[in-house]
Amino acid sequence: EVQLLESGGGLVQPGGSLRLSCAASGFTFSSYAMSWVRQAPGKGLEWVSTIRCCTGRTYYADSVEGRFTISRDNSKNTLYLQMNTLRAEDTAIYFCAKVSDSSGWHFDHWGQGTLVSVSS
Amino acid sequence: DIQMTQSPSSVSASVGDRVTITCRASQDISGWLAWYQQKPGKAPNLLIYAASSLQSGVPSRFSGSGSGTDFTLTISNLQPEDFATYFCQQTNSFPPTTFGQGTKVEIK
Repeated sequence: EVQLLESGGGLVQPGGSLRLSCAASGFTFSSYAMSWVRQAPGKGLEWVSTIRCCTGRTYYADSVEGRFTISRDNSKNTLYLQMNTLRAEDTAIYFCAKVSDSSGWHFDHWGQGTLVSVSS
Repeated sequence: DIQMTQSPSSVSASVGDRVTITCRASQDISGWLAWYQQKPGKAPNLLIYAASSLQSGVPSRFSGSGSGTDFTLTISNLQPEDFATYFCQQTNSFPPTTFGQGTKVEIK
């Protein structure tokens, strides 16, 4: 069974930093692209970032480009999101998601999410 | 970026009803569309990908159709566990991938 377990969320002041982790199990982590998707309270879904499985190539939403860094450690089956210079508008639940092995950049498994609150 | 617009924003329906949700893309995305169901406090769950392919384990009362810019998600014989919010996602032009704003299916 595929499992994705996020951690690292919490309350942080504007301008601060936070690192999220996503521990993966139940599949060959190193073979799949992985993503972060966020959801502000009561709002819709916003794609944040994706990292390819094998080249490690990364992609970012314009809203986080230059502030967030996605990375992965295939030896630990773990995905990361380093978030710097946080803003109030980054407040959201952050979901880790596995990119499907079917054609297309959709997400076939999601973690339960971790809440990031940016406030003074 | 491609904008995705869902309609309606919410719909009230009864158990056993047929519900149709529409998603429109701001430009041609061929068949690169996915649908998700999200229940309160839970992560989204993939229902449909490539516009009409049913994800493994998803009940057959869920179906998707469309291509180009106009897509639909149909729930036939609505069940109590289907009351949730549904999102579409375009995956044609990546990056970025973008989601619709969501459609809430409520109990009438």
